[in-house]
Amino acid sequence: DADVTQTPRNRITKTGKRIMLECSQTKGHDRMYWYRQDPGLGLRLIYYSFDVKDINKGEISDGYSVSRQAQAKFSLSLESAIPNQTALYFCATSEPDQPQHFGDGTRLSIL
Amino acid sequence: ILNVEQSPQSLHVQEGDSTNFTCSFPSSNFYALHWYRWETAKSPEALFVMTLNGDEKKKGRISATLNTKEGYSYLYIKGSQPEDSATYLCAVTHNFNKFYFGSGTKLNVKP
Repeated sequence: DADVTQTPRNRITKTGKRIMLECSQTKGHDRMYWYRQDPGLGLRLIYYSFDVKDINKGEISDGYSVSRQAQAKFSLSLESAIPNQTALYFCATSEPDQPQHFGDGTRLSIL
Repeated sequence: ILNVEQSPQSLHVQEGDSTNFTCSFPSSNFYALHWYRWETAKSPEALFVMTLNGDEKKKGRISATLNTKEGYSYLYIKGSQPEDSATYLCAVTHNFNKFYFGSGTKLNVKP
């Protein structure tokens, strides 16, 4: 079983819909991250969390919100999806001073 | 925001060739650099974590060096094999909280 699990793996939806992407981990890490990847660009940080009560904005948080329901779960929401949010989304976890462990990604298409 | 640049964007080599690529970053307030290997349809996997100027790390045929004073890291692959084909990402952090990723170098090794 994967240590970092993202659901769904693929999603196609329409402009204006509310979307939730979920991430769960079995690694016991406190730190969790959401990134998006667009062709020709690096991974860009959307939000990150260092524990259940901690939420921090990344580079590109506008249009997104997150919820850290438990140490193992970190969900990303698009309240009203727009086409330029079409991208590959990754969740990651880490310990302090350690590399990140990534999920398999969610490919999101907004029509 | 940290500007992390990787070059070249893509690279095509023959099996057996040795190759290298570069990650450049602002040298001020540097804390750590990560190299990740990202195969198509999979999630990025950590190769190296580097923190000290002059660091050299090695894993099999892959090695990396770090120069924090001039703001660059090199990744070397000796005797490339088709299974080395992947996108190689570097990420830099000032304080191990936020990671800033380059856009990656896509390596294709032809048999």
